[in-house]
Amino acid sequence: DSGVTQTPKHLITATGQRVTLRCSPRSGDLSVYWYQQSLDQGLQFLIQYYNGEERAKGNILERFSAQQFPDLHSELNLSSLELGDSALYFCASSVAVDSPLHFGNGTRLTVT
Amino acid sequence: DQQVKQNSPSLSVQEGRISILNCDYTNSMFDYFLWYKKYPAEGPTFLISISSIKDKNEDGRFTVFLNKSAKHLSLHIVPSQPGDSAVYFCAASADAGNNRKLIWGLGTSLAVNP
Repeated sequence: DSGVTQTPKHLITATGQRVTLRCSPRSGDLSVYWYQQSLDQGLQFLIQYYNGEERAKGNILERFSAQQFPDLHSELNLSSLELGDSALYFCASSVAVDSPLHFGNGTRLTVT
Repeated sequence: DQQVKQNSPSLSVQEGRISILNCDYTNSMFDYFLWYKKYPAEGPTFLISISSIKDKNEDGRFTVFLNKSAKHLSLHIVPSQPGDSAVYFCAASADAGNNRKLIWGLGTSLAVNP
């Protein structure tokens, strides 16, 4: 158990809809990262937050947004969903920016 | 442009033998490298890391070797066990002040056969 909790585990929704994925980092970890893993793709970095502030952005679409709240949990919002957004979305946390990441078990999003 | 490459999508090894997983990178600014293991339906789990000031790091059955001149690192698992069967990801990062962004390879699926 990595200590990182992601909810929900599975999400099925229709194109054009909006969903919110939730992540609770390990206790004491200030950094939260969001990754997308599509079929046959590696882990694509989306965005990183550190203690409530956006720290780095990767290949995150404009339709996607995220935030980290004062209690350090984070939410990833995906809107105007397309079929191609179907993927596994992982959240990870670390105590510092140069520490190994600890991953949650992911949210599997299926867009139909 | 894949800055971190794991050229073998899969590897099959007999139990008790050595597993060698390879990773190549192109960015000479990378100075920190990690290996993660991923089982189905779970998130990746940190395995071992190495800083560019070293050429070897060992943790039990797992050893990572770094060859900076060749921009190559490898993960050795000795002896391999069936429970090691998983997808192994190599990741690399460069120091960017207060920020480090990990660049990931596509993974190598290891099967250890009893």
